[in-house]
Amino acid sequence: ETGVTQTPRHLVMGMTNKKSLKCEQHLGHNAMYWYKQSAKKPLELMFVYSLEERVENNSVPSRFSPECPNSSHLFLHLHTLQPEDSALYLCASSQKRLMNTEAFFGQGTRLTVV
Amino acid sequence: LAKTTQPISMDSYEGQEVNITCSHNNIATNDYITWYQQFPSQGPRFIIQGYKTKVTNEVASLFIPADRKSSTLSLPRVSLSDTAVYYCLVASGTYKYIFGTGTRLKVLA
Repeated sequence: ETGVTQTPRHLVMGMTNKKSLKCEQHLGHNAMYWYKQSAKKPLELMFVYSLEERVENNSVPSRFSPECPNSSHLFLHLHTLQPEDSALYLCASSQKRLMNTEAFFGQGTRLTVV
Repeated sequence: LAKTTQPISMDSYEGQEVNITCSHNNIATNDYITWYQQFPSQGPRFIIQGYKTKVTNEVASLFIPADRKSSTLSLPRVSLSDTAVYYCLVASGTYKYIFGTGTRLKVLA
């Protein structure tokens, strides 16, 4: 248990569906992240939120829509996804500091688009 | 951001010490070196972090030479459960935790 909880753990959705991934952190951190990890590929940073403000958006298609209502919760809203969007979606949190800091990851949501 | 280079894969036997080296030639003064471990279908897990010389915790040791252009993660007496992907990251309190391809360690019986 890392203090970062993701739900659901597994999700199968059709290309016309709308679903949301949820992430919650109980660590008092002020930054949260979404990563995508496709099979046998490195983690790709998608979005970064700091103090509920989006500070990073790495050219992610608009069919992925993040939301950070407060510093403890992060959502990833999904709509009209493609099969190639099937992947492990990981949430992480960290405490922004001047020097050393580390990110804590959730267990991920395994998404399959059919 | 400092780019890191690691071996793609390594094999070891149970009980051996494993050393994984990461190269980060353009590391900045404020950058720390952090290593993560990832098992299949799970999120990466923090292993160890250091700035210079040597750091040791209950899981691993991290050796950093004076020029800080490389670092070596040392796993003592590995077991089958240490089979995982190990990532080396270099960052300085920024938001960008950028993961490379990592090193796929396979521990054999």
